[in-house]
Amino acid sequence: SQELEQSPQSLIVQEGKNLTINCTSSKTLYGLYWYKQKYGEGLIFLMMLQKGGEEKSHEKITAKLDEKKQQSSLHITASQPSHAGIYLCGARRNTGTASKLTFGTGTRLQVTL
Amino acid sequence: SAVISQKPSRDICQRGTSLTIQCQVDSQVTMMFWYRQQPGQSLTLIATANQGSEATYESGFVIDKFPISRPNLTFSTLTVSNMSPEDSSIYLCSVERTFGSGTRLTVV
Repeated sequence: SQELEQSPQSLIVQEGKNLTINCTSSKTLYGLYWYKQKYGEGLIFLMMLQKGGEEKSHEKITAKLDEKKQQSSLHITASQPSHAGIYLCGARRNTGTASKLTFGTGTRLQVTL
Repeated sequence: SAVISQKPSRDICQRGTSLTIQCQVDSQVTMMFWYRQQPGQSLTLIATANQGSEATYESGFVIDKFPISRPNLTFSTLTVSNMSPEDSSIYLCSVERTFGSGTRLTVV
């Protein structure tokens, strides 16, 4: 099984609707990163969470970290076509911000008009 | 945060040949990471490139197939050697939390 499981694998929402993507780790988290990827392109950093209970927001995207459950959720409010893409969570497995990341399975988001 | 310039952005190569991918960072960094993203899959770490020492490869990846150079603190290359269609993927370099724009490789 994967170290990082994301759900759902894919999502189609109507413009203006809210949505949530979950990322669950089977191992200890030292940092949880969220990225967005447009098809065939590089990764765009969204936010990083380090402490249990931490919550960060960027424009209409909010991410939370539940350290006890080793789980993070990404919530998009009032989705727009520009939010479409693949969302990836990445976990740092040790201390030190320069360490490698293990990635989740990804969630493909489509936003319809 | 760091800015990474990765090239080429894409290439179509014949099987049996090699391709070298370059990443240039706008600041000095100790570690650079190389990832592969196979079609429809998530990212898998190939290796960690440290300046002044040999790269550290993850399970399933070997130096003969993916030689890496790290001549200084701002530059690294990944070579995909003796390519086969199974090597068709997006290859990405990374420093800290920043990723390059990726190299889309198609092997025919």
